[in-house]
Amino acid sequence: RKEVEQDPGPFNVPEGATVAFNCTYSNSASQSFFWYRQDCRKEPKLLMSVYSSGNEDGRFTAQLNRASQYISLLIRDSKLSDSATYLCVVNIRNDYKLSFGAGTTVTVRA
Amino acid sequence: DVKVTQSSRYLVKRTGEKVFLECVQDMDHENMFWYRQDPGLGLRLIYFSYDVKMKEKGDIPEGYSVSREKKERFSLILESASTNQTSMYLCASSSRTGLGSYNEQFFGPGTRLTVL
Repeated sequence: RKEVEQDPGPFNVPEGATVAFNCTYSNSASQSFFWYRQDCRKEPKLLMSVYSSGNEDGRFTAQLNRASQYISLLIRDSKLSDSATYLCVVNIRNDYKLSFGAGTTVTVRA
Repeated sequence: DVKVTQSSRYLVKRTGEKVFLECVQDMDHENMFWYRQDPGLGLRLIYFSYDVKMKEKGDIPEGYSVSREKKERFSLILESASTNQTSMYLCASSSRTGLGSYNEQFFGPGTRLTVL
């Protein structure tokens, strides 16, 4: 079983729509969770951390469900500029290393 | 502005060649990482270094070695390149935290290596 698994998508949504997707992780003891964003042919960049109680950053909302071992990302009022691959990232063993999901591709169309 | 640079954006090598990929960061970060990224597999950690001259194997170290002689520079070496090492290689760095906690990793632009 992979340490971090994501639905690859693609999710094709119109501008202004809401899109949400999940990722599951293998180690119930993991403590740190993140979403990174990777634009086409670019490097990954941190989008937001995911906190136990859930957190928002503008139009982006992240949730953590420890019981079911998944995290989610919701994007409201989608913009064309939100088109990217979103990487679910978990500090699986609570050390220096991160485990990356393969990414969920989101395409926002006009 | 934080910056991680990699020596080449695109590289084409032949099977059996020795390949050097270099990464430099200007943020005085202690930790540096080398990943490869392949479609459907995500980023996989090859090696990381938490201090000068220190290194630890990641999840897929076979066929690779690394060198960290200076804090700002982390090199990935393919001793004898093979076609299955064709991939996107990403370098990253982060500042040190206590074990069990985490600081953001900053990535370089990547090197797309093709081995013929």
